[in-house]
Amino acid sequence: GIQVEQSPPDLILQEGANSTLRCNFSDSVNNLQWFHQNPWGQLINLFYIPSGTKQNGRLSATTVATERYSLLYISSSQTTDSGVYFCAVDPGNTDKLIFGTGTRLQVFP
Amino acid sequence: NAGVTQTPKFRILKIGQSMTLQCTQDMNHNYMYWYRQDPGMGLKLIYYSVGAGITDKGEVPNGYNVSRSTTEDFPLRLELAAPSQTSVYFCASTPPGTSRKFFGPGTRLTVL
Repeated sequence: GIQVEQSPPDLILQEGANSTLRCNFSDSVNNLQWFHQNPWGQLINLFYIPSGTKQNGRLSATTVATERYSLLYISSSQTTDSGVYFCAVDPGNTDKLIFGTGTRLQVFP
Repeated sequence: NAGVTQTPKFRILKIGQSMTLQCTQDMNHNYMYWYRQDPGMGLKLIYYSVGAGITDKGEVPNGYNVSRSTTEDFPLRLELAAPSQTSVYFCASTPPGTSRKFFGPGTRLTVL
């Protein structure tokens, strides 16, 4: 099956710093989503981005489908950005997302 | 809208016991899903449903059963609980015409 790899596995930042999270996938996909899981376990859908670039406030995401990767950019990080960021893909039109293992982000004041 | 709701929030089971995890959404979404998340890992799909009366297996269906008698409810049944089923269980749904998933708050299950 399709493999979804995220890097780095862990990231520690000071408030105000910028960061880039990467998601590589081993096969073509029809659907790619980024999620944030906060320290209380809640999963929040950040972006639905099978291709192209989207921005939402301090967050933006880019997916280059032909090269099988996606990037999540976090600018001017805040302590509330802490948590785990997951990339998830659907390799066919099945709507069944396959999740990566995540990037754990800790932002300190 | 309350969104996707799950009950209970926490549960401890003994080996061999059974229970049902409840999931309800009030957004009239056709597609619903059950995932499990083991410590330090991503989510794995257990079962999904594309509408009332239709269910199908995901990546890790063994030890679980589901039913979908209404659009709103998608319960997950554990018949003979095993320690390997200790996990956090998330229910999700998808609005028609999109693939964005919306998750419930999760149920933390421990099997001792």
